[in-house]
Amino acid sequence: DAKTTQPNSMESNEEEPVHLPCNHSTISGTDYIHWYRQLPSQGPEYVIHGLTSNVNNRMASLAIAEDRKSSTLILHRATLRDAAVYYCILRDVGAQKLVFGQGTRLTINP
Amino acid sequence: DTEVTQTPKHLVMGMTNKKSLKCEQHMGHRAMYWYKQKAKKPPELMFVYSYEKLSINESVPSRFSPECPNSSLLNLHLHALQPEDSALYLCASSQEVRPPGGYTFGSGTRLTVV
Repeated sequence: DAKTTQPNSMESNEEEPVHLPCNHSTISGTDYIHWYRQLPSQGPEYVIHGLTSNVNNRMASLAIAEDRKSSTLILHRATLRDAAVYYCILRDVGAQKLVFGQGTRLTINP
Repeated sequence: DTEVTQTPKHLVMGMTNKKSLKCEQHMGHRAMYWYKQKAKKPPELMFVYSYEKLSINESVPSRFSPECPNSSLLNLHLHALQPEDSALYLCASSQEVRPPGGYTFGSGTRLTVV
């Protein structure tokens, strides 16, 4: 599985945008970029995924670099409920499994 | 129904006990998964089921025995566990084993082996 690198932790303030980076320099052409988050005492939750183009949904936006070697998950206006561990995962289009890396622990200050 | 339901939420068992974890989904998903998560660590894949057949076993010890009786139900049978098997056990499902979208996870069963 191709590897991703994320900061161990980040802090932001409530009602401000948050940009969570992910580096994946060994990404292959058939790897999708997936983001999940895990709130305390819960299972992981799907956030967003993309291949080449930027993606938006009701939870977040995913900005993918032109060379696809990095991506950024954008939370447009953080709330206390967004405090979680965020996982950036590369998943080959033909892969039967989802493999989690270490993730970024996001703290939101009131 | 867009949920994966896991029961029980908490389980304490002795090393000689036999117990089972249950996972249920009614989204029509045909792939189901078991993950194990230790404290402060990411989830680790254990098993993958596709159309009720075991597709991947990530070299899990035989004291963990998965079962998929039908397309909505996934069990994990536990026998002769060790204290180091204490963890959060997560079940997930997806449309197919190579889904266009994401996985849906349950909230997990927190297992303590004494």
